[in-house]
Amino acid sequence: KQEVTQIPAALSVPEGENLVLNCSFTDSAIYNLQWFRQDPGKGLTSLLLIQSSQREQTSGRLNASLDKSSGRSTLYIAASQPGDSATYLCAVRPEGGSEKLVFGKGTKLTVNP
Amino acid sequence: NAGVTQTPKFRVLKTGQSMTLLCAQDMNHEYMYWYRQDPGMGLRLIHYSVGEGTTAKGEVPDGYNVSRLKKQNFLLGLESAAPSQTSVYFCASSYPDTSLEQYFGPGTRLTVT
Repeated sequence: KQEVTQIPAALSVPEGENLVLNCSFTDSAIYNLQWFRQDPGKGLTSLLLIQSSQREQTSGRLNASLDKSSGRSTLYIAASQPGDSATYLCAVRPEGGSEKLVFGKGTKLTVNP
Repeated sequence: NAGVTQTPKFRVLKTGQSMTLLCAQDMNHEYMYWYRQDPGMGLRLIHYSVGEGTTAKGEVPDGYNVSRLKKQNFLLGLESAAPSQTSVYFCASSYPDTSLEQYFGPGTRLTVT
C-alpha cells in the first residue's frame, strides 16, 4: 500500500529565507506527483505537477524535484515571504490506480516578517 | 469560469439526519472526486467518477452514496449521518489527459452532533 510522508509537520522561518519541504513515498511505481498549497479554511490549490519521467518543475519562486527511484520529492521555495504561510501537501498518483491520489499529511509553513 | 464550486459551505446535522452535498465544475472535466479531510489523517478519497453515469468506491466509501447524473455535477449523500462523519469535505475534478491534475473546490465543513 502506498504511503506518503511529509517531514517536518511544521516549519517556521524568517522572511527571506530559502527553504525545502520534503515528501517521501513508499512505492516508486507512481505516475506523477503533485504539490498543493492549502490556506486555513480553504481548498487546495495545485502548485506543481511532476510526471514520473521528469526530474523537476519550476514555477516562479517554486521548484519541485522528483527522485522516483529513491521515493523522494522536494519543494524548494526561494526568498520566502509571509504570504507563503500555508500548509503544503504532497500527493502521488500510483500506477494502476490511476484515478486516485494518495496524500501526505502536509507541512505547515509559517514565514515570520 | 468559476472552477469547482461546492454547496453548502457549512452544515450542522443531528445524528440520523440525511443530506446531500453538491459539487459543480464548469471546466468540462470528465473525472470528479469526493474527499474528506480530518485532523491527523490527511485527505482520503470517498468516491469518484470517471464520467457521467459512472461512480466507483474510494478508500472510505462506507456511509456515503454518490451520483453523477450530469457531467458537471457530482453529488455526495449521507443517508443517516453519524458523528464520525464530522469532517471537511472536498470535491475535485480533472481532465482525462496524461496528468490527471486535480482541481479542488473550497470545501464543505460538516458537523454531526
